This record gives sequence, structure tokens and C-alpha cells, in this order.
Amino acid sequence: EDQVTQSPEALRLQEGESSSLNCSYTVSGLRGLFWYRQDPGKGPEFLFTLYSAGEEKEKERLKATLTKKESFLHITAPKPEDSATYLCAQGGSEKLVFGKGTKLTVNP
Amino acid sequence: GAVVSQHPSRVICKSGTSVKIECRSLDFQATTMFWYRQFPKQSLMLMATSNEGSKATYEQGVEKDKFLINHASLTLSTLTVTSAHPEDSSFYICSALLAGGYNEQFFGPGTRLTVL
Repeated sequence: EDQVTQSPEALRLQEGESSSLNCSYTVSGLRGLFWYRQDPGKGPEFLFTLYSAGEEKEKERLKATLTKKESFLHITAPKPEDSATYLCAQGGSEKLVFGKGTKLTVNP
Repeated sequence: GAVVSQHPSRVICKSGTSVKIECRSLDFQATTMFWYRQFPKQSLMLMATSNEGSKATYEQGVEKDKFLINHASLTLSTLTVTSAHPEDSSFYICSALLAGGYNEQFFGPGTRLTVL
């Protein structure tokens, strides 16, 4: 069975303190690795799709990378507005398999 | 681009009544939409896959007679919770599949259902 595991479950950072979130997956034949951001009481907001090992994508302070077994979401010099739950999912045209998410809190 | 809306954003109903939630893709056509529910502090759980012009495919354990899904057009899918009970109270979120490329799913803002 396909599984997506995210770590840590929760992460507290000071503003400006860079860190990384991890997403590991056990899937034969990856059909896309997706990162979403979810704020409380809202639907997930699409961030990135990664498809091939070695692929990297960036958006503002966020950078997502992919290896054959895991993906990282690097957050550089985070700001309080980056506080959210970050969800990783594996899938494609079929259903997405979500991890449980990492709740990120960035303190000013 | 790739905007998905949901209506209503919040609904409170009495036990035994039915509630309809609409999901619309505003700037693209979506032959496939998905319905999820999310309990507090938990991740999204897929309920069903909705395909335009055909019957929805439900995940194991989801009652298809209780959660009626209709995907009547390429931009609209509806979820009707029939004879709602307090245990159906949850956050319901839809997504629409942007076909082609990597087939990303774009999510609506969610609907908070509270059944009294």
C-alpha cells in the first residue's frame, strides 16, 4: 500500500531561522509528488509538483527537492506568515495519498 | 488561474435534514473532481472521485447512499449529505483535477458542516 510519511509533526522556528520539512514515500512508479500549504479552516493551497528525482522548484522562501525516496521542503529565512500546515501528497491522475502534515509555527 | 470555489462555506443544520455542497472550477474545465473530509487536526481523507457524466467512485467505508455526488457539468460537482447526523459534522473539501501536465489537484476553500 502506498504510504506518505511526513516529519516532523510540528516545528517551531524563530523568524529568519531556516529549516527543512521531510516527506518520505513508498510508492512504486511515482506519479507526481505534491506539496500543499493549508491554513486553519481553509482548503489546501497548491505549492509544487515534483516528478523526477533531482528535480527542484522554488517559490519565494520555499524550495522543494525530490530524491527517489523522499522530498524536502526547505524554508529559507521564514516569516510569521509562513506559519501553516504543510502537506505532502503522492499521486497523479488518480487519487492523492496525503501525509499527515507538518505544522509550522514561525515566531516573530 | 486554477481557482476552485465551494458553496456554502459554513452550514448548520438539524439532524435528519439534507445538505447540498457545490464545488465549481471557475477558470478551467474539470472532468474529474474529488471530495474529501477532514476532522480536526487530521489530514484529508478521500471520500469519492467524481467524474463528469458518470457515477462517482466511493472509497471503502463511505456510504454512497448517504453521500450523493453529482457531476453534472465540466465545472460543477455537488455533494449532498442525506439525513445528516451529528457524526457527519466535519470539514468537507473538494478538489478539481487540472488535466494534462502533472495532473495537479486544486482545492476549494472547504465547507464547515455542523449538524445539531
